[in-house]
Amino acid sequence: GQQVMQIPQYQHVQEGEDFTTYCNSSTTLSNIQWYKQRPGGHPVFLIQLVKSGEVKKQKRLTFQFGEAKKNSSLHITATQTTDVGTYFCAGRRRRGSTLGRLYFGRGTQLTVWP
Amino acid sequence: DTEVTQTPKHLVMGMTNKKSLKCEQHMGHRAMYWYKQKAKKPPELMFVYSYEKLSINESVPSRFSPECPNSSLLNLHLHALQPEDSALYLCASSQPGQGVQPQHFGDGTRLSIL
Repeated sequence: GQQVMQIPQYQHVQEGEDFTTYCNSSTTLSNIQWYKQRPGGHPVFLIQLVKSGEVKKQKRLTFQFGEAKKNSSLHITATQTTDVGTYFCAGRRRRGSTLGRLYFGRGTQLTVWP
Repeated sequence: DTEVTQTPKHLVMGMTNKKSLKCEQHMGHRAMYWYKQKAKKPPELMFVYSYEKLSINESVPSRFSPECPNSSLLNLHLHALQPEDSALYLCASSQPGQGVQPQHFGDGTRLSIL
């Protein structure tokens, strides 16, 4: 079954509005990564979170890792048309995973209206 | 610009053809991955190589045959594919291990099976 749940599947916002996507795992994760895939492109690594309760910022993007290391979120402030794409979270399980196996969420496809 | 190079970018083949997808990286990464991605879906792991040895095969049908000739190259040999195998095939690389190791993806090969 799906290891990492991600919602929403789609999000349409007007330029300047905020956007958030959420990921939840049924098991504790050792770390979580976020990727962005532009239409017609390939996934591009954005950031990784390792510590419980960790918060990281990249300009207008804020990433959080839950205290229990089972959930994570990505928040974009004041979206721009360049933010269009699909955002994936990808987690590594705390135990039993080997060699970097990532469990991808389904992704949130973000559309931004100008 | 991606540091993982995949060829060809597009491939159309019949169900009886034999073809190969190629992937190359020169970042010194010792883990390499093949993913299959259908439209509006997350990447789906197929194979993982670590130090040129196959370490994960996600129950992929034998019509897909991976090969890792050296630490920089990864091939995927295709034979007798089905129409449902049409997808974007992504190669990725990373440093192996349990640590936080982002995966670097190539642009992918868009495969169409007639």
